[in-house]
Amino acid sequence: DADVTQTPRNRITKTGKRIMLECSQTKGHDRMYWYRQDPGLGLRLIYYSFDVKDINKGEISDGYSVSRQAQAKFSLSLESAIPNQTALYFCATGRRGAEHSTDTQYFGPGTRLTVL
Amino acid sequence: QKEVEQNSGPLSVPEGAIASLNCTYSDRVSQSFFWYRQYSGKSPELIMSIYSNGDKEDGRFTAQLNKASQYVSLLIRDSQPSDSATYLCALRGGSTLGRLYFGRGTQLTVWP
Repeated sequence: DADVTQTPRNRITKTGKRIMLECSQTKGHDRMYWYRQDPGLGLRLIYYSFDVKDINKGEISDGYSVSRQAQAKFSLSLESAIPNQTALYFCATGRRGAEHSTDTQYFGPGTRLTVL
Repeated sequence: QKEVEQNSGPLSVPEGAIASLNCTYSDRVSQSFFWYRQYSGKSPELIMSIYSNGDKEDGRFTAQLNKASQYVSLLIRDSQPSDSATYLCALRGGSTLGRLYFGRGTQLTVWP
């Protein structure tokens, strides 16, 4: 079984709809992240959470909200979807690393979201 | 904001050649560096990590780090068509140990 799962894998929706993307992990990591990826723009951080009660905005949080329901679950919501939120969305997990640690992040398979 | 710049590409090399991917960064306190490979439509996959100056080798891959010059590179020896992908450079460190900062990626094509 995959360590990081995302649902749905593909979603087509209409402008103004509320959408929730879900992420679950079995890696036992305390940290979880949501990114979006657009062609030519690389990975951009939307929100991140270091534990259930610690949620932080990334570079592009406007129009998004998140919920950390448990250590293993982190959901991303688009309250009112708009076409420029069409993108590939990735969830990632990681653990607290020491200063010179090579602990890094592990990505889920992604959700391709299209907003019409 | 930590800036991570990668050679823009796309990079095209023949099968069997050495592919060289480069990354420069602006934050001197960055501690750890990572290379991810991403096939089209797929998720990034970690292939190398390094935090000490010098070279680190893993099979056909070698990561090179020079903190004084603030660059990190990835060499792929004996390149194969299956290496064709986008390679993402990322760094972590300083006051934001939990976050990674990514470059925009370099697209590599290995032709037979």
